[in-house]
Amino acid sequence: ETGVTQTPRHLVMGMTNKKSLKCEQHLGHNAMYWYKQSAKKPLELMFVYNFKEQTENNSVPSRFSPECPNSSHLFLHLHTLQPEDSALYLCASSSQTQGLGVPLHFGNGTRLTVT
Amino acid sequence: GQQLNQSPQSMFIQEGEDVSMNCTSSSIFNTWLWYKQDPGEGPVLLIALYKAGELTSNGRLTAQFGITRKDSFLNISASIPSDVGIYFCAAANAGGTSYGKLTFGQGTILTVHP
Repeated sequence: ETGVTQTPRHLVMGMTNKKSLKCEQHLGHNAMYWYKQSAKKPLELMFVYNFKEQTENNSVPSRFSPECPNSSHLFLHLHTLQPEDSALYLCASSSQTQGLGVPLHFGNGTRLTVT
Repeated sequence: GQQLNQSPQSMFIQEGEDVSMNCTSSSIFNTWLWYKQDPGEGPVLLIALYKAGELTSNGRLTAQFGITRKDSFLNISASIPSDVGIYFCAAANAGGTSYGKLTFGQGTILTVHP
């Protein structure tokens, strides 16, 4: 149990499908993140939410749409993805109470395959 | 953009041996972190370093925050088979508006032979 739960663990979708990834944190944190992990590449930050407000969009294509309804839940809505979007998508959370925002606690990820 | 150069990319060692890996950057950071990732799981925090020169241990793991604030190393002593996995360094300028935005190294794949 990591304290950060992601569903589904695996997802296969066609390029015309619409799907959503879900993340829930049980750590009382107030910042949440989406990271992308592709083979042979460092983890890439996608989005940052602080107190439900999006504070970072790291030049992510619009086919990825995040949603943060409250500090405990984060979604990533997917639409018309490309095969190169296949990757492990990791959700993370952290606490801002001491102003640091680190360390991040990660979920186990959603393994996404786009066909 | 900021990059972390992590080395080695992979290591094959015998059980009981000590392991050392490091991370360097051309940029200064005020926080260095080390994570381990097992297959099918997310990265798990091993050690967090918040002060230049800081040396911190967690069981058989020891990590140091370089005095120049541009590097960090992780040592594992007396390796065991469950140490197998991918080790990532990460760095940030925590605080202010840069909170939580970690830059990651490429990872070191560790294999331990019994």
